[in-house]
Parts: sequence; structure tokens; C-alpha cells
Amino acid sequence: EVQLVQSGAEVKKPGESLKISCKASGYSFTGFWIGWVRQMPGKGLEWMGIIYPGDSDTRYSPSFQGQVTISADKSISTAYLQWSSLKASDTAMYYCARSAAYYYDSSGFSDWGQGTLVTVSS
Amino acid sequence: QSALTQPASVSGSPGQSITISCTGTSSDVGGYNYVSWYQQHPGKAPKLMIYDVSNRPSGVSNRFSGSKSGNTASLTISGLQTEDEADYYCSSYTSSSTLFGGGTKLTVL
Repeated sequence: EVQLVQSGAEVKKPGESLKISCKASGYSFTGFWIGWVRQMPGKGLEWMGIIYPGDSDTRYSPSFQGQVTISADKSISTAYLQWSSLKASDTAMYYCARSAAYYYDSSGFSDWGQGTLVTVSS
Repeated sequence: QSALTQPASVSGSPGQSITISCTGTSSDVGGYNYVSWYQQHPGKAPKLMIYDVSNRPSGVSNRFSGSKSGNTASLTISGLQTEDEADYYCSSYTSSSTLFGGGTKLTVL
């Protein structure tokens, strides 16, 4: 069974750094893309970026390029999303998700983590 | 890149059929057969309902179907059930990333 287990909720202050995680199990971690999706309170889904753990090929949405960093550690089957300096507008639920197709990132996300709620407030 | 355009809300009665549209451009929806649809219930993670325009993942009811014409993709739900009430999002692969639609709230009256 494919499982994506995300790290717990975070409460941070503006300007602080943060790294949240997504631990994968039940499949070949290096063969599928892992993406991150933001959902601000009461709003829709936003595609942030995606990484292929097999070779660390990473792509970002233009809206998030330079704002976050996506990485993966294939030795522990875990993907990460990190910020160097949080803003109040980063307050949102963040989901990790696995690509539906082996090797390809074009067919959507078939499996999702439970979400990590990030709250940024002074 | 702008989000794909979906109607904010649609509604239907149990047993009826509804269709949700998703309009993009020739650079996304119209340019690739890689449109996906997701269902999201309140407080839950999204669930993949359709991928590659019209394919259903294993376990998804055949009441859900997808299609595409030009720059517009559509999700049709037939035989509406109360549990179908949820938010629905389309997404499309592009050459450099993926776009989501703004979401459509389906109300089953």
C-alpha cells in the first residue's frame, strides 16, 4: 500500500525558516515524482513544484520559484519542502503527492499525504 | 501562468447528471492530453478521479467520466449521489509545470 506521511503542524513567526517532510512507503521511491501542493485557507489548490527522487530533477511553478526549495533524500524515502524566511502569506495547508505514472509527471497525482498545516503569525 | 477556469459552483439532484467545465489555452489543456480531475471533501486530501483526460483510476466509480474538446475539458458525473457533494479541481500538464483550476463546488440538492 502506497503511503505518504507528512510531518506535523507548525506554528512559526515571520522571518523564520522551516522544512516540512513527506515520508513515502509501499513503492519504489526513486521511480515516481513527488509534488507539493498549497491550499490557503478557504481557497483552491496550487501546484508548487515537483521532484524526481531518482535523479533529483526538480521543477517549480513560476509562482513559487525562488520562494521555496524542494528536495528529497532517497536513502530514507523522504521529500522535503523548505522556506528560508516565512511570511504570513505562507499560512496554508501543504500536501505532498505522488505522480500517478512511473517515471512521468504528466498524469496527475494518485496518492496524497494527509497535509501539513503551516501557520505563520507574529 | 493563470489558473484554469472552472465555474465556481454547480448543483444537481440525486440521480441527475452534471458537467463541470475546465477552460485553458492551447499551451495547457488544448496542447496535451494530460488533464486530471480531483475530488476534495472538506478537511480531506484531494482524490484523483480522472487522469489523462478520460481514464479512471482503479476504484473510482464509472459514474465519473472525462472528456476534452479544444481548450476545454469536462468532468461529467452521472447518477448523482449525496456523497458526490465536494469540491472538484481540474489540472493540466504544461511544458514547464502543472496548472490547477480554481475549483468548483458541487452541491447535491
